[in-house]
Amino acid sequence: EDKVVQSPLSLVVHEGDTVTLNCSYEVTNFRNLLWYKQEKKAPTFLFMLTSSGIEKKSGRLSSILDKKELFSILNITATQTGDSAVYLCAVEGGDPSGTYKYIFGTGTRLKVLA
Amino acid sequence: DAGVTQSPTHLIKTRGQQVTLRCSPKSGHDTVSWYQQALGQGPQFIFQYYEEEERQRGNFPDRFSGHQFPNYSSELNVNALLLGDSALYLCASSLAFRARDTQYFGPGTRLTVL
Repeated sequence: EDKVVQSPLSLVVHEGDTVTLNCSYEVTNFRNLLWYKQEKKAPTFLFMLTSSGIEKKSGRLSSILDKKELFSILNITATQTGDSAVYLCAVEGGDPSGTYKYIFGTGTRLKVLA
Repeated sequence: DAGVTQSPTHLIKTRGQQVTLRCSPKSGHDTVSWYQQALGQGPQFIFQYYEEEERQRGNFPDRFSGHQFPNYSSELNVNALLLGDSALYLCASSLAFRARDTQYFGPGTRLTVL
C-alpha cells in the first residue's frame, strides 16, 4: 500500500532557529514529490521535486529529494513566526496508464515562538 | 485568472442526510481531484475526475460519489452522512498528463455532521 510518512509530527522552535522536516515514502510509480504549507485551509504549493540530488530553494526554504533512499527533507532557516503552519509532503504516483494521484503524509505542525 | 473555487464554505448537516459540494477548477485545467482532511490529518484522496469520468478512487465507500460536468467543474456527493464524515473537503485541479504541473487547491468546504 502506498504511504508517505512525515516526521516529526510537531515541532516548537524559537525565531531564528533552523528546522529540518522529513518525508519518507513508498509509492508505486513515483512521479513527483511536493511540499505544501497549510495555514488555515487550502494547502499552498512550496516545491516540486522530481530528480534526485537537485536542491530547490525559495528564500529561506530549501528542499532536496533522494530517490534511492526514498525520502525528502524541507529546511527552513532563520525561522519567523509567519512560518508557523502545517507542512505537508505529498507524493504523486499511481497507474502510468491513467492519471496520477497525490498521497499525503499527516503533516508536521511547526510552531515558531517569538 | 480565477483559481480553484469551492462552495459552500461551511456546511452543517445531521446524520443520515445527504450533501453536495461543488468545485470549479482553475482556468485551463481539466482534471479535478477531491480530498477529505480530518482534523490533525493530511488530506486523503477520495477520487479524481477527467473527461467526465472517475479515473482513480481512494479507499472511500460508495456513499461518496462524484460528477464532472462538460465545463470541468465537479460535484462531490456524500449520502447517509456519518459523524466521521465531518472534515475539510478540498478540491484540487490540474492539467492531465502534465508531469511538471502541480495541483492547485481550493479553499475547501468545512462539513460538520451532528
